[in-house]
Amino acid sequence: EIVLTQSPGTLSLSPGERATLSCRASQTINSNYLAWFQQKPDQPPRLLIFAASSRAAGIPDRFSGSGSGTDFALTISRLEPEDFAVYFCQQYGRSPYTFGRGTKLEIK
Amino acid sequence: QVQLQQWGAGLLRPSETLSLTCGVSGESFSESYWSWIRQPPGQGLEWIGEIDHTGSTNYNPSLKNRVTISVDTSKNQFSLKLNSVTAADTAVYYCARGNSVWSRRPFDPWGQGTLVTVSS
Repeated sequence: EIVLTQSPGTLSLSPGERATLSCRASQTINSNYLAWFQQKPDQPPRLLIFAASSRAAGIPDRFSGSGSGTDFALTISRLEPEDFAVYFCQQYGRSPYTFGRGTKLEIK
Repeated sequence: QVQLQQWGAGLLRPSETLSLTCGVSGESFSESYWSWIRQPPGQGLEWIGEIDHTGSTNYNPSLKNRVTISVDTSKNQFSLKLNSVTAADTAVYYCARGNSVWSRRPFDPWGQGTLVTVSS
Protein backbone atom coordinates (compact mmCIF):
# COMPACT_ATOMS: atom_id res chain seq x y z
CA GLU A 1 0.00 0.00 0.00
CA ILE A 2 1.03 3.61 -0.46
CA VAL A 3 2.25 5.16 2.79
CA LEU A 4 1.79 8.92 3.15
CA THR A 5 4.14 10.75 5.51
CA GLN A 6 3.06 14.21 6.62
CA SER A 7 5.34 16.81 8.14
CA PRO A 8 5.58 18.52 10.47
CA GLY A 9 3.43 16.73 13.00
CA THR A 10 2.55 20.06 14.61
CA LEU A 11 2.95 23.55 13.18
CA SER A 12 2.66 26.59 15.46
CA LEU A 13 1.93 29.84 13.66
CA SER A 14 0.09 33.12 14.18
CA PRO A 15 -2.93 34.46 12.28
CA GLY A 16 -1.80 36.25 9.15
CA GLU A 17 1.24 34.02 8.66
CA ARG A 18 1.80 31.58 5.81
CA ALA A 19 1.57 27.83 6.41
CA THR A 20 3.17 25.12 4.31
CA LEU A 21 2.32 21.48 5.03
CA SER A 22 4.08 18.55 3.39
CA CYS A 23 2.89 15.11 2.28
CA ARG A 24 5.34 12.57 0.88
CA ALA A 25 4.24 9.29 -0.70
CA SER A 26 6.15 6.00 -0.60
CA GLN A 27 5.31 5.44 -4.30
CA THR A 28 4.33 7.66 -7.20
CA ILE A 29 0.66 8.60 -6.98
CA ASN A 30 -1.13 7.89 -10.24
CA SER A 31 -2.40 10.98 -12.07
CA ASN A 32 -1.80 13.08 -8.96
CA TYR A 33 -4.82 11.59 -7.22
CA LEU A 34 -3.95 13.37 -3.98
CA ALA A 35 -6.42 15.22 -1.78
CA TRP A 36 -6.17 17.43 1.29
CA PHE A 37 -8.74 17.56 4.09
CA GLN A 38 -9.29 19.84 7.08
CA GLN A 39 -10.73 18.39 10.26
CA LYS A 40 -11.98 20.23 13.33
CA PRO A 41 -12.93 18.55 16.64
CA ASP A 42 -16.05 16.40 16.49
CA GLN A 43 -16.51 17.03 12.76
CA PRO A 44 -15.92 14.83 9.70
CA PRO A 45 -13.05 15.80 7.42
CA ARG A 46 -13.78 18.57 4.93
CA LEU A 47 -12.38 18.31 1.42
CA LEU A 48 -10.12 21.24 0.51
CA ILE A 49 -8.03 20.14 -2.48
CA PHE A 50 -8.32 17.30 -5.01
CA ALA A 51 -6.09 16.20 -7.89
CA ALA A 52 -3.18 17.74 -5.97
CA SER A 53 -4.00 21.35 -6.88
CA SER A 54 -7.73 21.82 -7.58
CA ARG A 55 -9.77 23.59 -4.93
CA ALA A 56 -13.05 21.99 -3.90
CA ALA A 57 -16.27 23.99 -4.17
CA GLY A 58 -16.52 26.84 -1.68
CA ILE A 59 -12.90 26.66 -0.50
CA PRO A 60 -11.24 30.09 -0.13
CA ASP A 61 -8.40 30.88 -2.51
CA ARG A 62 -5.92 31.26 0.36
CA PHE A 63 -5.75 27.44 0.24
CA SER A 64 -3.61 26.03 -2.55
CA GLY A 65 -2.13 22.64 -3.35
CA SER A 66 0.96 21.76 -5.32
CA GLY A 67 3.26 18.90 -6.18
CA SER A 68 3.36 15.74 -8.24
CA GLY A 69 4.73 12.23 -8.17
CA THR A 70 5.63 11.62 -4.53
CA ASP A 71 5.93 15.12 -3.05
CA PHE A 72 2.96 17.33 -2.36
CA ALA A 73 2.23 20.44 -0.33
CA LEU A 74 -0.71 22.40 1.01
CA THR A 75 -0.18 26.13 1.43
CA ILE A 76 -2.40 28.50 3.35
CA SER A 77 -1.30 31.95 2.23
CA ARG A 78 -2.57 33.99 5.16
CA LEU A 79 -3.92 32.17 8.19
CA GLU A 80 -7.36 33.05 9.49
CA PRO A 81 -8.45 32.06 13.04
CA GLU A 82 -10.77 29.38 11.63
CA ASP A 83 -7.87 27.67 9.80
CA PHE A 84 -6.36 26.22 12.97
CA ALA A 85 -7.23 22.54 12.72
CA VAL A 86 -5.79 19.18 11.70
CA TYR A 87 -4.96 18.59 8.04
CA PHE A 88 -4.77 15.20 6.33
CA CYS A 89 -3.58 14.19 2.90
CA GLN A 90 -5.12 11.17 1.13
CA GLN A 91 -4.33 9.24 -2.02
CA TYR A 92 -7.15 7.80 -4.10
CA GLY A 93 -5.16 6.52 -7.03
CA ARG A 94 -4.60 3.01 -5.80
CA SER A 95 -6.47 0.73 -3.42
CA PRO A 96 -6.20 0.48 -0.47
CA TYR A 97 -6.81 4.21 -0.29
CA THR A 98 -4.61 5.69 2.42
CA PHE A 99 -4.31 8.80 4.55
CA GLY A 100 -1.40 10.58 6.16
CA ARG A 101 -1.28 10.78 9.95
CA GLY A 102 -2.07 14.49 9.89
CA THR A 103 -0.51 17.86 10.69
CA LYS A 104 -1.95 19.82 13.58
CA LEU A 105 -1.92 23.55 12.87
CA GLU A 106 -2.06 25.37 16.18
CA ILE A 107 -2.07 28.99 17.22
CA LYS A 108 1.30 30.24 18.40
CA GLN B 1 -26.67 18.07 -3.17
CA VAL B 2 -25.57 14.69 -1.90
CA GLN B 3 -26.15 14.01 1.79
CA LEU B 4 -25.17 10.98 3.87
CA GLN B 5 -26.86 10.11 7.14
CA GLN B 6 -25.57 7.21 9.20
CA TRP B 7 -26.79 5.28 12.21
CA GLY B 8 -26.06 2.20 14.31
CA ALA B 9 -25.14 0.89 17.74
CA GLY B 10 -22.50 2.85 19.60
CA LEU B 11 -21.52 0.46 22.41
CA LEU B 12 -20.40 -3.11 21.91
CA ARG B 13 -18.79 -5.82 23.98
CA PRO B 14 -15.69 -7.68 22.76
CA SER B 15 -16.45 -10.42 20.20
CA GLU B 16 -19.75 -8.79 19.13
CA THR B 17 -20.51 -7.58 15.62
CA LEU B 18 -20.45 -3.90 14.72
CA SER B 19 -23.32 -2.89 12.45
CA LEU B 20 -23.80 0.53 10.84
CA THR B 21 -25.97 1.81 7.99
CA CYS B 22 -25.63 4.89 5.79
CA GLY B 23 -28.47 6.44 3.84
CA VAL B 24 -27.81 8.45 0.69
CA SER B 25 -29.97 11.25 -0.65
CA GLY B 26 -29.63 13.80 -3.41
CA GLU B 27 -27.86 11.66 -6.00
CA SER B 28 -28.34 8.52 -8.03
CA PHE B 29 -26.95 5.69 -5.95
CA SER B 30 -25.69 3.93 -9.05
CA GLU B 31 -23.18 6.60 -10.08
CA SER B 32 -20.66 6.15 -7.28
CA TYR B 33 -18.71 3.88 -5.00
CA TRP B 34 -19.64 4.16 -1.32
CA SER B 35 -17.07 3.75 1.42
CA TRP B 36 -16.61 3.24 5.14
CA ILE B 37 -13.71 4.91 6.93
CA ARG B 38 -12.78 4.90 10.61
CA GLN B 39 -10.77 7.06 12.97
CA PRO B 40 -9.64 5.84 16.41
CA PRO B 41 -9.76 8.57 19.08
CA GLY B 42 -6.97 11.08 18.54
CA GLN B 43 -5.57 9.16 15.58
CA GLY B 44 -5.57 9.14 11.81
CA LEU B 45 -8.02 7.78 9.25
CA GLU B 46 -8.26 4.22 7.91
CA TRP B 47 -10.24 3.25 4.82
CA ILE B 48 -12.26 0.09 5.49
CA GLY B 49 -13.82 -0.71 2.13
CA GLU B 50 -16.23 0.28 -0.62
CA ILE B 51 -19.23 -0.98 -2.55
CA ASP B 52 -21.06 -0.06 -5.73
CA HIS B 53 -24.74 -0.39 -6.60
CA THR B 54 -24.26 -3.91 -8.01
CA GLY B 55 -22.85 -5.09 -4.70
CA SER B 56 -19.29 -5.32 -5.95
CA THR B 57 -16.94 -4.74 -3.01
CA ASN B 58 -13.33 -3.81 -2.40
CA TYR B 59 -11.88 -4.15 1.10
CA ASN B 60 -8.76 -3.01 2.86
CA PRO B 61 -6.62 -6.14 3.28
CA SER B 62 -5.99 -5.15 6.91
CA LEU B 63 -9.65 -5.81 7.78
CA LYS B 64 -10.82 -8.01 4.93
CA ASN B 65 -11.32 -11.17 6.97
CA ARG B 66 -13.74 -9.45 9.40
CA VAL B 67 -15.62 -6.97 7.19
CA THR B 68 -18.77 -7.20 5.11
CA ILE B 69 -20.20 -4.22 3.23
CA SER B 70 -23.63 -4.64 1.65
CA VAL B 71 -26.06 -2.48 -0.29
CA ASP B 72 -29.83 -2.02 -0.47
CA THR B 73 -30.46 -0.09 -3.66
CA SER B 74 -34.23 0.04 -3.05
CA LYS B 75 -33.55 2.23 -0.01
CA ASN B 76 -30.35 3.95 -1.25
CA GLN B 77 -28.50 2.56 1.75
CA PHE B 78 -25.29 0.68 2.34
CA SER B 79 -24.16 -1.08 5.48
CA LEU B 80 -21.04 -2.15 7.35
CA LYS B 81 -20.59 -5.22 9.49
CA LEU B 82 -17.36 -5.86 11.38
CA ASN B 83 -17.28 -9.05 13.37
CA SER B 84 -15.30 -10.18 16.41
CA VAL B 85 -14.66 -6.62 17.59
CA THR B 86 -12.03 -5.77 20.19
CA ALA B 87 -11.05 -2.57 21.99
CA ALA B 88 -8.79 -1.80 19.01
CA ASP B 89 -11.93 -1.31 16.90
CA THR B 90 -13.07 1.61 19.06
CA ALA B 91 -13.30 4.52 16.65
CA VAL B 92 -15.50 7.06 14.96
CA TYR B 93 -16.85 5.37 11.83
CA TYR B 94 -17.73 7.46 8.80
CA CYS B 95 -19.51 6.68 5.56
CA ALA B 96 -18.48 8.65 2.49
CA ARG B 97 -18.92 8.89 -1.26
CA GLY B 98 -15.82 7.88 -3.16
CA ASN B 99 -14.97 7.33 -6.80
CA SER B 100 -17.59 7.77 -9.48
CA VAL B 101 -18.16 4.84 -11.80
CA TRP B 102 -16.34 6.80 -14.52
CA SER B 103 -13.47 8.49 -12.73
CA ARG B 104 -11.41 8.75 -9.56
CA ARG B 105 -12.35 11.31 -6.94
CA PRO B 106 -11.66 11.81 -3.23
CA PHE B 107 -14.04 11.09 -0.38
CA ASP B 108 -16.71 13.77 -0.38
CA PRO B 109 -19.17 14.24 1.20
CA TRP B 110 -18.97 12.38 4.49
CA GLY B 111 -21.56 11.22 6.97
CA GLN B 112 -21.68 12.81 10.39
CA GLY B 113 -19.75 9.97 12.03
CA THR B 114 -20.70 7.40 14.67
CA LEU B 115 -18.56 6.74 17.72
CA VAL B 116 -18.39 3.01 18.34
CA THR B 117 -16.92 1.99 21.68
CA VAL B 118 -15.93 -1.59 22.43
CA SER B 119 -15.76 -2.29 26.13
CA SER B 120 -16.51 -5.13 28.48
